[in-house]
Amino acid sequence: EVQLVQSGAEVKKPGESLKISCKGSGYSFTSYWIGWVRQMPGKGLEWMGIIYPGDSDTRYSPSFQGQVTISADKSISTAYLQWSSLKASDTAMYYCVRTEWELLGLGAFDIWGQGTMVTVSS
Amino acid sequence: QAVLTQPASLSASPGASASLTCTLRSGINVGTYRIYWYQQKPGSPPQYLLRYKSDSDKQQGSGVPSRFSGSKDASANAGILLISGLQSEDEADYYCMIWHSSASVFGTGTKVTVL
Repeated sequence: EVQLVQSGAEVKKPGESLKISCKGSGYSFTSYWIGWVRQMPGKGLEWMGIIYPGDSDTRYSPSFQGQVTISADKSISTAYLQWSSLKASDTAMYYCVRTEWELLGLGAFDIWGQGTMVTVSS
Repeated sequence: QAVLTQPASLSASPGASASLTCTLRSGINVGTYRIYWYQQKPGSPPQYLLRYKSDSDKQQGSGVPSRFSGSKDASANAGILLISGLQSEDEADYYCMIWHSSASVFGTGTKVTVL
């Protein structure tokens, strides 16, 4: 079964660092892109960025550039999203997603992780 | 102005058809984009429904019923998700998405209520 399994919920204080993970299985991890999507409580979906684990090519949404770091370790089929200094406004559900390069560019987010809830509160 | 605008809510009766629109910002031509649609039920991650650019360039997500289909209204510069034969299980939030300037952009989302 093709799946993305994310790390568990986190509760952190403002200013703390955090790294959450997304492990792919059931497919060739290095042949697909892994992206991250934020959903703040009661709000819509926001694309944060994407990485190609095959060569670590990484692209960020302008809204998130410099705010987070996306990385991947292809040896263990895992992608990461990390913050160096969390803010209360980072409180949200974070989903990892899979996509692939099609003829006209990147395609659908066909597989979604179950989500990681990050709560930042003093 | 958002890149992709969706009506906040839509209500319809079981068995009816529901047409969800995704309007592209002025200056962004719907004809040049593949539009992707996702369904999100409460407490669950979104699921991919389908992709539509034209009748010759479309894709149904794995296991997605054929009563979900895509189209476009060029005059309104909008993508459309049509749900035929609405069922109570279709009650969910629906998001459109495009790839614009090498970035993924989601629509504002539509909450569908089945009365």
